[in-house]
Amino acid sequence: KAGVTQTPRYLIKTRGQQVTLSCSPISGHRSVSWYQQTPGQGLQFLFEYFSETQRNKGNFPGRFSGRQFSNSRSEMNVSTLELGDSALYLCASSLEVAGLAGELFFGEGSRLTVL
Amino acid sequence: KQEVTQIPAALSVPEGENLVLNCSFTDSAIYNLQWFRQDPGKGLTSLLLIQSSQREQTSGRLNASLDKSSGRSTLYIAASQPGDSATYLCAVYTGTASKLTFGTGTRLQVTL
Repeated sequence: KAGVTQTPRYLIKTRGQQVTLSCSPISGHRSVSWYQQTPGQGLQFLFEYFSETQRNKGNFPGRFSGRQFSNSRSEMNVSTLELGDSALYLCASSLEVAGLAGELFFGEGSRLTVL
Repeated sequence: KQEVTQIPAALSVPEGENLVLNCSFTDSAIYNLQWFRQDPGKGLTSLLLIQSSQREQTSGRLNASLDKSSGRSTLYIAASQPGDSATYLCAVYTGTASKLTFGTGTRLQVTL
């Protein structure tokens, strides 16, 4: 059974650019959530999608957005990149709404560097 | 606002030792608690999931307990091995906030 797949694994952008990250959940999982991990702030919740609907959103500016497709694949987009957006972006999938009943399974992450 | 703290922040032990990692949370209205390990530069690997109605879960050399009323969980690792070296994170799902909140992590090093 394939795990959670995130692409790209590594990317470098410059300030002001935008970036789109992709996440393919485990087959059959309908919930996808996104997290940002930085050395200073640790793991912070970005948002969660379930059946193409955003269910929850963390405390991030509107530059951070996401969506989920009918096949449960999800994308997140960050516009007008800032240096502080450099981080490891992790995607997780589960069978139910994140954590409500099911176990979370994480991808390897997308490491974004903003220069 | 849910806050999750893990103590100690770092731990170094010789191979073979039994050890305990601690996780505390401020809001006891949780649905579940999950323990993860993270290797450098990698994603998170799920170790154990404890539902709010459960007191403990076991998997191999790992045992996690949950005391919801006191806002605490412990992860017990028996007979530690160098391969256990990683950062261990606990996370709680809080119904009122409907989101997963992660702890600060414990960086474990098991030496030969």
